[in-house]
Amino acid sequence: KNEVEQSPQNLTAQEGEFITINCSYSVGISALHWLQQHPGGGIVSLFMLSSGKKKHGRLIATINIQEKHSSLHITASHPRDSAVYICAVRSNYQLIWGAGTKLIIKP
Amino acid sequence: DAGITQSPRHKVTETGTPVTLRCHQTENHRYMYWYRQDPGHGLRLIHYSYGVKDTDKGEVSDGYSVSRSKTEDFLLTLESATSSQTSVYFCAISEDLSALHFGNGTRLTVT
Repeated sequence: KNEVEQSPQNLTAQEGEFITINCSYSVGISALHWLQQHPGGGIVSLFMLSSGKKKHGRLIATINIQEKHSSLHITASHPRDSAVYICAVRSNYQLIWGAGTKLIIKP
Repeated sequence: DAGITQSPRHKVTETGTPVTLRCHQTENHRYMYWYRQDPGHGLRLIHYSYGVKDTDKGEVSDGYSVSRSKTEDFLLTLESATSSQTSVYFCAISEDLSALHFGNGTRLTVT
């Protein structure tokens, strides 16, 4: 069993929909990262969380340390949000990566 | 954007040849990482460095070596390339184990 599980693996939605991507982990962590990878490959760091909630524009990330779970939400989704979203947790100075969620937003 | 340059961006090489990929940073960050990304897998750590001449193995280090003789450069060498090393390779840097900044990747094909 992977130590970091993301769901869903693939998600297709219509423009404007509210999007939720989930990340569950089974190890003790000091921080959790959300990253975005667009077609063509560049990886961009979106958030680093150790507790609570962070917001940047239409993106919101939350983490529940007790439940070992984090969610990434996108409000008013747009085709330019189409990308792979990756969760990674920092545990014992190592990063453990989820396999990613491929999001497609249709106009 | 953090100043990270990977070179080359694309390379095709033959089985058995040595290959060196370069990661250059202008941020003076302490930590540098090499990852590979393959379909169906998350990013997998090959090697990392926590300072000049200080490196350590990641989870998929077999067949790879690294060197860091200067803060700004982290080299990844495939000693004798194999088809299983066909992948996209990403370099990443971090100053304090918080934010992670990635290069644009190197697509390597071993024929």
